[in-house]
Amino acid sequence: AQSVAQPEDQVNVAEGNPLTVKCTYSVSGNPYLFWYVQYPNRGLQFLLKYITGDNLVKGSYGFEAEFNKSQTSFHLKKPSALVSDSALYFCAVRGDSNYQLIWGAGTKLIIKP
Amino acid sequence: GAVVSQHPSWVICKSGTSVKIECRSLDFQATTMFWYRQFPKQSLMLMATSNEGSKATYEQGVEKDKFLINHASLTLSTLTVTSAHPEDSSFYICSASVLAGTGELFFGEGSRLTVL
Repeated sequence: AQSVAQPEDQVNVAEGNPLTVKCTYSVSGNPYLFWYVQYPNRGLQFLLKYITGDNLVKGSYGFEAEFNKSQTSFHLKKPSALVSDSALYFCAVRGDSNYQLIWGAGTKLIIKP
Repeated sequence: GAVVSQHPSWVICKSGTSVKIECRSLDFQATTMFWYRQFPKQSLMLMATSNEGSKATYEQGVEKDKFLINHASLTLSTLTVTSAHPEDSSFYICSASVLAGTGELFFGEGSRLTVL
């Protein structure tokens, strides 16, 4: 069965520093991987996805993620963090049906000025 | 990207009353919509999958008679919390997928339900 793990409940980064939010997955077959961001009391916003192709995927707001098949990881990265990046980040993998997603527990990202 | 509108954003109701939350896909047709519940500081819990024109598929542990889901058209799904109680207070989020997509979901802004 498909599963997603986000090993860190919270990540603290100083503004201007690079950030990484970790995600590992377990799937049978080729993975469809996603990152979403949630701001307080808001719905989720799509950041980026990996379906096929280049392992480095670029997304919204300067974020990117690297697909690593051997390590079954899909870590979210940004070269220089902004305070406004502070939010809850969810990694997800497509489930058995075409439109269902399996969600990670979420990682709270805190960017300090 | 595609836009999903969810209404109301906030609702406060008395215990025992019913509350309806609407989820609309504004610029695309969504054959499938999902309803989630999110507890504070926790991930999304899928409640049910709503397919246009058919009965919703509920996840294990979700009461069908408590959380009524209707997906009458390709652009509208509704969640009705019947006879609400304080333990039903939560953040409810809907999402929709495009008719032929790769699994990418578009989310509503969420509805904060507080039952007094």
